This record gives sequence, structure tokens and C-alpha cells, in this order.
Amino acid sequence: AQKVTQAQTEISVVEKEDVTLDCVYETRDTTYYLFWYKQPPSGELVFLIRRNSFDEQNEISGRYSWNFQKSTSSFNFTITASQVVDSAVYFCALSEARSSNTGKLIFGQGTTLQVKP
Amino acid sequence: DAGVIQSPRHEVTEMGQEVTLRCKPISGHNSLFWYRQTMMRGLELLIYFNNNVPIDDSGMPEDRFSAKMPNASFSTLKIQPSEPRDSAVYFCASSPEGPGYTFGSGTRLTVV
Repeated sequence: AQKVTQAQTEISVVEKEDVTLDCVYETRDTTYYLFWYKQPPSGELVFLIRRNSFDEQNEISGRYSWNFQKSTSSFNFTITASQVVDSAVYFCALSEARSSNTGKLIFGQGTTLQVKP
Repeated sequence: DAGVIQSPRHEVTEMGQEVTLRCKPISGHNSLFWYRQTMMRGLELLIYFNNNVPIDDSGMPEDRFSAKMPNASFSTLKIQPSEPRDSAVYFCASSPEGPGYTFGSGTRLTVV
């Protein structure tokens, strides 16, 4: 069965600190996709990144970076120089890969990040 | 592109009433997903469709819940009769093959 675990329920940092959100996943599939979504206080789910299981290169997008390690089944997310606007709930998610259609997306429980000024 | 459109944004109803939530996926996306978000259970998948066909409805809580996708541009999630424990935010998402899930803004349902 597929499972995503975000062990950190809540994290609080002061603005300009770096923060890493952890994500560990379980799957028997050899091909799969990993995602991060942001849910700000307004409630919508905002897509941040998708990574497939064959691409272990780390990715950087501005202040955001992602570290994918298949050996430890982890897909961690780091925000550098955090800002108050980064305050949100962040979800890690896993999708099975299918040859003919799109598989379901399984979410972790989310990590609430509070960035204080 | 208007994105995934859900209606209504908010719904308040009395226990026992029928509730219908609506979703219009992004044109060209062949998969549609219904999720429910609560504090206790987080984001849980209720049901999903590929090419208008239900693929997995194992997350549907009970017979009071039903979902349909009569065509590629419309889906409904119906609760009949509604109960207070159904109060939650219901999200619809669509995806092309790829995948790339785009979520609607959600419907906040309150059953009193």
C-alpha cells in the first residue's frame, strides 16, 4: 500500500530562518510521482513541484529547494530565508504511475509552517 | 484557462437534506478526483474517474455518498441524507495523463 508520512505536525520559525519540511513515502511501485502542495490560510491547494521516481536530481526554484533520495524514500522541502508569506500548510503527496491513465494522489497529513516576523 | 471550477463555494444545510456539489474539470483533462478535507482525517480521496468511468470509489464513506460523471466536463458529488459529520471542505481535482493534478477552490460544507 502507498503511504506518505510528514512527521512534523507544526513548525514555527522566525523570518529569514531556513526551514526543512520532511516527507517519507512508501510504495511498492518502481515508477511513481512525488508532489508538494501549499495550502495558504485562504484554503486553496497550490501546486509547487512534481518529481518522477527516475529523476533524483535536486531542484531549486528561488527560495525553494527539494531533495529527493530514493535510498531513504524521502522527498524533503527546504525554504531558504523564510518569509511571513510562507506561512501555510504544506502537503507532500505520492501518485502511482499507470500506463494508460492517471493514478490516485495520496497525501501526507501536512505540516503547518508558521513564520513569525 | 479557468482552472477547475467548483460550486457552490459554501453550503450550509440542515441534517437530513440532500446536498449536491459540482465540479467542472479543465478541458482536456481525462481524470477527475473528489477529496474531502477534515481536521481529523486530513485530505482523503473519495473517488476518482478516468475518461468518465469510476476507477476507485473505496474512499466513499457509505451509501449516503454518490458521485457521477455524465460527461467529460461535469461531475457531481451527492450526499443524501446529509449528517453533521459530513461537514468538511470538498475538493475536486482534474489531471491530464502525466500526471498533473489541479485542484478547485473547494466547497465548504456545513451540516447543522
